[in-house]
Amino acid sequence: KNEVEQSPQNLTAQEGEFITINCSYSVGISALHWLQQHPGGGIVSLFMLSSGKKKHGRLIATINIQEKHSSLHITASHPRDSAVYICAVRDPGGGADGLTFGKGTHLIIQP
Amino acid sequence: EPEVTQTPSHQVTQMGQEVILRCVPISNHLYFYWYRQILGQKVEFLVSFYNNEISEKSEIFDDQFSVERPDGSNFTLKIRSTKLEDSAMYFCASSEISSGNTIYFGEGSWLTVV
Repeated sequence: KNEVEQSPQNLTAQEGEFITINCSYSVGISALHWLQQHPGGGIVSLFMLSSGKKKHGRLIATINIQEKHSSLHITASHPRDSAVYICAVRDPGGGADGLTFGKGTHLIIQP
Repeated sequence: EPEVTQTPSHQVTQMGQEVILRCVPISNHLYFYWYRQILGQKVEFLVSFYNNEISEKSEIFDDQFSVERPDGSNFTLKIRSTKLEDSAMYFCASSEISSGNTIYFGEGSWLTVV
């Protein structure tokens, strides 16, 4: 079963800064998810990756399968990006396996 | 955009009472999940459901918990006799297929056991 570690745990940055959040996992995966949790608690899926890189607007997610590592980048950060960003992985069995979650990175973007 | 809906958004219950949390997954999705998040902690997997049966469950999902898809649209989580430590946000999620697809979460049901 995977262990998922995220860093940093907390990150405060100024508006416009380039943000990087890291995620590492211990075993192989069939998929890795980046999720955003709003202050009210709701969770939104940002990306699902199994290899390479994906981009959506100002968000970029990369994964290195050999190094068991993924990064989430936010370019031109904005106060509305303030949220908890969570990395979650699905074990190699795939199927209907549940996700294993990291503890999340609490991001605050100051104006 | 289609969404997963959960009810109630917040429920307060007495210890020992039965609670049913309800979810309506996205209509063409085949895989359904319950997760929970105790305040200040990480999200934890409870159970996955496919083809009208449990596919996988975690150690948390003991005999106090059960899931059902009673009518082809609702997906319910029942906690038979609630304990104080069951207080948490419970998230329902669904996906079209399993490992290759985006997973969609509901807004959560916040359960407080007193």
